[in-house]
Amino acid sequence: QVQLKESGPGLVKPSGTLSLTCVVSNGSITSSNWWTWVRQPPGRGLEWVGEIYHSGSTNYSPSLQSRVTISVDKSKNQFSLKMTSVTAADTAFYYCARDPRTAAVAGLSPWGPGTLVTVSS
Amino acid sequence: QSVLTQPPSVSGTPGQSVTISCSGSRSNVGSNLVYWYQQLPGTAPNLLIYRNNNRPSGVPDRFSGSKSGTSASLAISGLRSEDEADYYCATWDDSLRGHYVFGSGTKVTV
Repeated sequence: QVQLKESGPGLVKPSGTLSLTCVVSNGSITSSNWWTWVRQPPGRGLEWVGEIYHSGSTNYSPSLQSRVTISVDKSKNQFSLKMTSVTAADTAFYYCARDPRTAAVAGLSPWGPGTLVTVSS
Repeated sequence: QSVLTQPPSVSGTPGQSVTISCSGSRSNVGSNLVYWYQQLPGTAPNLLIYRNNNRPSGVPDRFSGSKSGTSASLAISGLRSEDEADYYCATWDDSLRGHYVFGSGTKVTV
């Protein structure tokens, strides 16, 4: 079973850069999947951040695309999220997930357990 | 603000049936497949329904999805205490170069 796990600093200063990594295990990041980031402010709903294919193709949320970059490292079987100029509004649980878009069973699955990033000085 | 509108909460007693609506527009629900996710307290979301009305392996048949026009619905029959969770609809939106969107979320209380 493919498993995903997020990692990165839990605290980022305002105006700084948020950097997270999602390691994919028991599966290859070069398989036919899109790799996705979703975030959830504490006590609020889910927000799609963006996605990447192993070829490097990306799609971003229109509201975040000016600040977000998603990249893939095939040698380490992982993908990453960078978000610049963060504010308190970017405080959230950040999840990574697989999207096997063209497979028999599609949808975001599985998800990583999530990691809380707090933006505060 | 989410582009997909869900009721903030629904409730029912054990054994009852409840339905959660997801209202969108032509650029999202009206043109694309709908997915539903269940988020139990303190955990990551989990895929519940894919491509409008299909259940992944392991999801009880008490859960069913449907879509008509620009709206979708998730029905839960035979409500159980373990169904108490947040539920989100989601789909692709064809506007602005395309992006994935989630519903506002519905808290189900049993």
